[in-house]
Amino acid sequence: DAMVIQNPRYQVTQFGKPVTLSCSQTLNHNVMYWYQQKSSQAPKLLFHYYDKDFNNEADTPDNFQSRRPNTSFCFLDIRSPGLGDAAMYLCATSRDGAGAVGNEQFFGPGTRLTVL
Amino acid sequence: EDKVVQSPLSLVVHEGDTVTLNCSYEVTNFRSLLWYKQEKKAPTFLFMLTSSGIEKKSGRLSSILDKKELFSILNITATQTGDSAIYLCAVDSLRNTGKLIFGQGTTLQVKP
Repeated sequence: DAMVIQNPRYQVTQFGKPVTLSCSQTLNHNVMYWYQQKSSQAPKLLFHYYDKDFNNEADTPDNFQSRRPNTSFCFLDIRSPGLGDAAMYLCATSRDGAGAVGNEQFFGPGTRLTVL
Repeated sequence: EDKVVQSPLSLVVHEGDTVTLNCSYEVTNFRSLLWYKQEKKAPTFLFMLTSSGIEKKSGRLSSILDKKELFSILNITATQTGDSAIYLCAVDSLRNTGKLIFGQGTTLQVKP
């Protein structure tokens, strides 16, 4: 089945130790998103790629970076995780953005990050 | 600033009850409104609404959009314990292409 896959599902890292979360999709969607979701809060968009075009949210800290080497994969790099970065990180995809009727996003299962 | 507000923030009901969840929005160049259900993992898609007055239905769940009054409701009839989840409303706009604006969610707990 076509889907959005995230690895790992659970990640434990130490304060300040770089970590990379991965997302892959078999939907062949143009757009891939990274969200941060803390407990009892709505998902907060960090950035998204429309194909190879990177779109950073204005309030996303510089500590967060992303790479999309090809259509199928997208990575979230946290260069120096702090305790406040502990959260669920959700990857999502959508077929298209501009001009599409609606923007149904399909979410992966998420990676829960713990920072010690 | 675009925003999406959901109410109530939390709700506790008993099995068999009917619930109505509300979502209001202020968004420039509205394109669609989406409802998601989130249990202990990633959100799963429920409905996408683009036109006023057309009810979307899936089993015991239904939703409708009012673009004049800028709100949507999600109805769940004959609730079951498996309906316990956070229900997220999100809006897509032409101005923020590719970006969903999420509400804060409604946490629904269905007791046996």
